[in-house]
Amino acid sequence: SQTIHQWPATLVQPVGSPLSLECTVEGTSNPNLYWYRQAAGRGLQLLFYSVGIGQISSEVPQNLSASRPQDRQFILSSKKLLLSDSGFYLCAWDRGQNQPQHFGDGTRLSIL
Amino acid sequence: AQTVTQSQPEMSVQEAETVTLSCTYDTSENNYYLFWYKQPPSRQMILVIRQEAYKQQNATENRFSVNFQKAAKSFSLKISDSQLGDTAMYFCAFTQGAQKLVFGQGTRLTINP
Repeated sequence: SQTIHQWPATLVQPVGSPLSLECTVEGTSNPNLYWYRQAAGRGLQLLFYSVGIGQISSEVPQNLSASRPQDRQFILSSKKLLLSDSGFYLCAWDRGQNQPQHFGDGTRLSIL
Repeated sequence: AQTVTQSQPEMSVQEAETVTLSCTYDTSENNYYLFWYKQPPSRQMILVIRQEAYKQQNATENRFSVNFQKAAKSFSLKISDSQLGDTAMYFCAFTQGAQKLVFGQGTRLTINP
């Protein structure tokens, strides 16, 4: 069966520090991968998605970047965090067109 | 652009009651897919049910069923015999195959004992 792992679960970082959140998928190959951000009590905002190694599509211009160095690994990064980067970040995968997405457990990021 | 609207920010019902969550969407496409996701306090996103637009029959999963009205672009979720564990945020989502899910803003559902 397929599983998705996302870490860390919680992160507290100072303003201006770098960020690296990691997501890996097991039990499938060539998945589509996604990063979302969820503000408190709000819906999900798609940040990045990837259909293959090295292929990254950005949905909104911002302080964040994503990379996919391996088929089942998706990384969300920032060189300098802003207060507005605080939120709940979710990684997800799916098999392709019109298939449901499956989500990781999320990372709660607090910027001080 | 596709949009998904959930007009009920919060709902509250007693245990064992039936509750219906509303969702409307906007698209000019004819073939697409709709989903309901549940996000309990643990904040995991869990797929509840899926509907394919070209299928007229409403999807069901145990106590969960949908009322899909394609002409009205409506996709409501009915939870029968509600349980305390159904307490969660519920998100309606839409995709037409472009590797993107468009989510509504969510409905916070509370099941009271």
